[in-house]
Order: sequence, then C-alpha cells, then structure tokens
Amino acid sequence: DTAVSQTPKYLVTQMGNDKSIKCEQNLGHDTMYWYKQDSKKFLKIMFSYNNKELIINETVPNRFSPKSPDKAHLNLHINSLELGDSAVYFCASSNRDRGSTDTQYFGPGTRLTVL
Amino acid sequence: DAKTTQPNSMESNEEEPVHLPCNHSTISGTDYIHWYRQLPSQGPEYVIHGLTSNVNNRMASLAIAEDRKSSTLILHRATLRDAAVYYCILRERRDFGNEKLTFGTGTRLTIIP
Repeated sequence: DTAVSQTPKYLVTQMGNDKSIKCEQNLGHDTMYWYKQDSKKFLKIMFSYNNKELIINETVPNRFSPKSPDKAHLNLHINSLELGDSAVYFCASSNRDRGSTDTQYFGPGTRLTVL
Repeated sequence: DAKTTQPNSMESNEEEPVHLPCNHSTISGTDYIHWYRQLPSQGPEYVIHGLTSNVNNRMASLAIAEDRKSSTLILHRATLRDAAVYYCILRERRDFGNEKLTFGTGTRLTIIP
C-alpha cells in the first residue's frame, strides 16, 4: 500500500483555470505538507497542517489554498492558474506529536503544466 | 534560515564507498542534521538524521564533526540505485509546531558501473 499518494500524477491545464491536487496518507501521521519543486529543481515548502490546523504558510500567493478535510488528507486548490505555477508539487506527511524527529514521507509528486 | 553547503555533484564507482560532505557552520544547538535523497522522477526519501553522535542505519552512516559545523553521509557500498540528489538539511524548530525542512541544491551523485 502506498504510504503517501497524490492524484493526479500529471495535470495539464490552461492559464486562468482552477484546479485541485489531492493528497492522502495512510501512515496515521498528524502533520501534512505541500512542497513545490520548480524547473531548477529547488524544493520549497508551501504549507504545513497539523491536526487540520494550518501551522506553516510560506509566502505563497493566495491563489493557493490548502484544504484539510481530515488528518489523512491535505488537498491543494489553485485558482486562476498562471504559467509560473508550472512545477512538480509534492505532498508529505510526518508524525510530530510523538516527540519524533519529524521524518517526512513524500508522495510521488504531481507534475502541473500550465499552457 | 540556517543553511547548508554541499558540492553540486560527485561521482563514484559502483560497489565503492561514497562520502558526501555537508557544511553547516551556522547550525544552532538544537538543530538536527537530516539527509534526504531524491531519485529521478520520485519524491524525496529520508535517509538518516543525527544531532551530535555518529549514526548508522541500513541505508547509510552519518558522521558529525565534533563542532557540528559539518557532517558526512557515508554510503558504504554504492549501487546504481543510489544515483540520486542528496540533500543535507537542518531541521529548524523555531517555535512549537513550526518545524520545517529547508532544502538546498543538494549533491547530484552519479554512480559509474
């Protein structure tokens, strides 16, 4: 069974559209993250949720909105897509509350292409 | 943000040990040193972490300098499947609930058959 899964794997869309990427983890973790990896391969955190509460919100345009219906899911909704949003988006999860060292488990990524 | 410095790329022969260096001269006392790797077309994968003492696990070993300003990830016997970008990351704990991983450019490891 996949620990952290994302759908879709590929997403090609037109500028101005609204799209969502879904993420699910079956590890029982209490914290989930979204990262963006651009064309230069820089991997940067966007958001972090702990127990459905937003705890990290980096300087991301407000067109990006994370939604966490429950602890196992953290979806990423993007409004009014722009060319610069083209990237690979990774979801990750970790278990922080056990006093662990916050090892993060990543999903396979969603490659978003905005035309 | 505490930063790390790694060589952009390294090469190693298959079945030989590989030593991947990382400098983190601005590390604070409570920062853990994490290593992740990213295989082609995959998400990052945890490799190992440590605080002060050297660490071993099934994937690798982590040697941490006494002053903690540098560390070395050791792959004891590299295989072709170890070809990846290796990231050395300091886990920052600014305040409760605000930990995050800050990825640098990493080291692209090429394994030569």
